[in-house]
Amino acid sequence: NAGVTQTPKFQVLKTGQSMTLQCAQDMNHEYMSWYRQDPGMGLRLIHYSVGAGITDQGEVPNGYNVSRSTTEDFPLRLLSAAPSQTSVYFCASSYTGQGAKNIQYFGAGTRLSVL
Amino acid sequence: GQQVMQIPQYQHVQEGEDFTTYCNSSTTLSNIQWYKQRPGGHPVFLIQLVKSGEVKKQKRLTFQFGEAKKNSSLHITATQTTDVGTYFCAGPTNAGKSTFGDGTTLTVKP
Repeated sequence: NAGVTQTPKFQVLKTGQSMTLQCAQDMNHEYMSWYRQDPGMGLRLIHYSVGAGITDQGEVPNGYNVSRSTTEDFPLRLLSAAPSQTSVYFCASSYTGQGAKNIQYFGAGTRLSVL
Repeated sequence: GQQVMQIPQYQHVQEGEDFTTYCNSSTTLSNIQWYKQRPGGHPVFLIQLVKSGEVKKQKRLTFQFGEAKKNSSLHITATQTTDVGTYFCAGPTNAGKSTFGDGTTLTVKP
């Protein structure tokens, strides 16, 4: 099992550029989510999904889009990057079946700089 | 909505000293989870507490869940440099989601 895989690990963008952060998990988890973490800060939820075809906004969704066409993949799109989106982005997944306790499994993160 | 608060935000200790971080939820939790994030790394699940008043130990780490299931603590005895990082608590909400506290960042001076 690879767990949760995020690509790329590092990315530098210019203001206004668009890009997609990839996230894939091989644990057959229904729940997936995206967080951003700024220096010295906690984890802020951007978007989440409780299953294929279902997405919802977290606490900081502006400037980001998501889709969930398969159970395995949950890409995060930045439509027009802004310097305020410079951050570390983490994807996470969790099991939601019977007896689930919502333990979150995180990817290694994508470090994004917007110039 | 559910809020999870952690204190302190930062803790600096001398190697060998003890360390404690506290977690408080605005609502009763079905369980509490603790995660550790090493500098430059990602959060990694440490442990989950489910029962009221539960105490679990992992070597020098002791985790407690309050009787009312609204608070928890993590205590590290005799800290080592390998303990540095940010410790997060999290409480489940619904459908796989968890609400995270802001974390306590521990630095250890050798």
